[in-house]
Amino acid sequence: QKEVEQNSGPLSVPEGAIASLNCTYSDRGSQSFFWYRQYSGKSPELIMFIYSNGDKEDGRFTAQLNKASQYVSLLIRDSQPSDSATYLCAVSNTGGFKTIFGAGTRLFVKA
Amino acid sequence: EAGVAQSPRYKIIEKRQSVAFWCNPISGHATLYWYQQILGQGPKLLIQFQNNGVVDDSQLPKDRFSAERLKGVDSTLKIQPAKLEDSAVYLCASSAPGQGTDTQYFGPGTRLTVL
Repeated sequence: QKEVEQNSGPLSVPEGAIASLNCTYSDRGSQSFFWYRQYSGKSPELIMFIYSNGDKEDGRFTAQLNKASQYVSLLIRDSQPSDSATYLCAVSNTGGFKTIFGAGTRLFVKA
Repeated sequence: EAGVAQSPRYKIIEKRQSVAFWCNPISGHATLYWYQQILGQGPKLLIQFQNNGVVDDSQLPKDRFSAERLKGVDSTLKIQPAKLEDSAVYLCASSAPGQGTDTQYFGPGTRLTVL
């Protein structure tokens, strides 16, 4: 069974700190990696996607991918209370096939 | 650009009843997904359509769940008969492969409660 593993949290960080969210996956054939944010009672919304090994930065967010270690992470710099949500890691094959979501990590940013 | 539309937003039924959900994807998106999200879990892919063809339904409980996407646009997901464990949020998503990303855009979901 192909899996995506995340720590369930909650991860609690003070406002202004860096939040680090981690995800491991079991299928070495995975090609596309996504981080979604989901507020309570809402649907997931895309934060970032990454396809290649290394770092990808977008504003306060940085996604990191290491295919050899089957590991993907999300760093949130200058965390804000509005970042408090569940962060879902998703992994798929090329073309969006066989998408598997992790159970998510709950993040709480304390003001 | 209009987002993914779903209806109804909420549904409460008794076990053994049937229920249907509707989804209209973002215009031009060829790929449509139905997910089941149980409270506290990540979304679980039930079925994926490419235009009006099924490309993955390996996790769809076919004895009670069915889905169709006639004409390659909107889609319906049906449960018949419903069980208590079907209580969940049913999310529809769409994507446009070939535009450099297979990012999925989600609708607001339908929250199903089976009593």
